[in-house]
Amino acid sequence: ETGVTQSPTHLIKTRGQQVTLRCSSQSGHNTVSWYQQALGQGPQFIFQYYREEENGRGNFPPRFSGLQFPNYSSELNVNALELDDSALYLCASSRGGDVPHEQFFGPGTRLTVL
Amino acid sequence: DAKTTQPNSMESNEEEPVHLPCNHSTISGTDYIHWYRQLPSQGPEYVIHGLTSNVNNRMASLAIAEDRKSSTLILHRATLRDAAVYYCILRDFSGGSNYKLTFGKGTLLTVNP
Repeated sequence: ETGVTQSPTHLIKTRGQQVTLRCSSQSGHNTVSWYQQALGQGPQFIFQYYREEENGRGNFPPRFSGLQFPNYSSELNVNALELDDSALYLCASSRGGDVPHEQFFGPGTRLTVL
Repeated sequence: DAKTTQPNSMESNEEEPVHLPCNHSTISGTDYIHWYRQLPSQGPEYVIHGLTSNVNNRMASLAIAEDRKSSTLILHRATLRDAAVYYCILRDFSGGSNYKLTFGKGTLLTVNP
């Protein structure tokens, strides 16, 4: 069983640029959630996709957007990058359709905005 | 989501039991208690969850107070690999769409050799 994978591992961008982060969910999972983790803090929920539709969103501005593809992989797009967007971005997959007690996290993408 | 309170840090010795406390005095009847942990340079991983009864799995045990206002994650024999940040999270699935995990700052567990 392949786990959750994310790419790239690390990324450096400058303020104002746009970035796309990618996530492949675990086999058999149709739900993907994205989280932002600033240094020294717990992860903060950005949004979730279930069967290619957004299924809930946290307190993040519209410049954070996402997609989920028919194979249930997902992208997180961030426009007009700001210095505070520097963080570890985590995706997590889970099975939809039943109570999703367990979410499986990827290793994250470390984004640095200069 | 109901709030949880955990100590900022705890320390243990290798091969000794560790009891990680969590207070959740405003827990509702439909809140499940979840524990995740995050090892250095990794994403969080699920540890255990429970509703009312104590729970055991291969990783840990979860002891839930009778009034459910507190719980304790028990690692029976700590290893160096258990050094991580441990998060106690409440989740309510009664609305049919609790999709998110609400993380606090968690407890940083240090395991001494």
